[in-house]
Amino acid sequence: KAGVTQTPRYLIKTRGQQVTLSCSPISGHRSVSWYQQTPGQGLQFLFEYFSETQRNKGNFPGRFSGRQFSNSRSEMNVSTLELGDSALYLCASSPWTGGENTEAFFGQGTRLTVV
Amino acid sequence: QKEVEQNSGPLSVPEGAIASLNCTYSDRVSQSFFWYRQYSGKSPELIMSIYSNGDKEDGRFTAQLNKASQYVSLLIRDSQPSDSATYLCAVSRNNDMRFGAGTRLTVKP
Repeated sequence: KAGVTQTPRYLIKTRGQQVTLSCSPISGHRSVSWYQQTPGQGLQFLFEYFSETQRNKGNFPGRFSGRQFSNSRSEMNVSTLELGDSALYLCASSPWTGGENTEAFFGQGTRLTVV
Repeated sequence: QKEVEQNSGPLSVPEGAIASLNCTYSDRVSQSFFWYRQYSGKSPELIMSIYSNGDKEDGRFTAQLNKASQYVSLLIRDSQPSDSATYLCAVSRNNDMRFGAGTRLTVKP
């Protein structure tokens, strides 16, 4: 069974640009969560999607957005990039469908550098 | 107050010793608790999950949960140099998972 796939692995963008990151969850998983990881802040929760609906959202500005498609693949978008957006962006998929929590599995991440 | 707190370390133990990692959380209704291991430059890897009070053992790893004290711990017995990594505590409610800042563990040969 293939794991969580994130593309691209590395990205360099200029301040003010926008970027779209992609995540394909483990087959059968319908829940996808996104996190930002920086040395100073650790793993910060961005948002979680389930069946194309955003269920939970962290404390990030509106420049950070996401969506999920009917095949459970998810994308996140960051507009008007700032230097501080440079980070490792991680996607995690889970077989959760309600009720008890389940384990989440991470992709390899997308390393975004804003210059 | 942070949602999930861990001692940032670094924690250094000799090979063969027991490493003890601790975590506290603020949300009393949290349902599920996890420990992830993250090697430098890699993504987090799930090593333990625990859902009810008490101990859960898996090989050299033991997770302990005390919901009344809002406390989770991870014990690593017979620590090996390959255990050197950052250990992340995660707490989840309704599939909303939040992480601590991680504890960096170094196991010295």
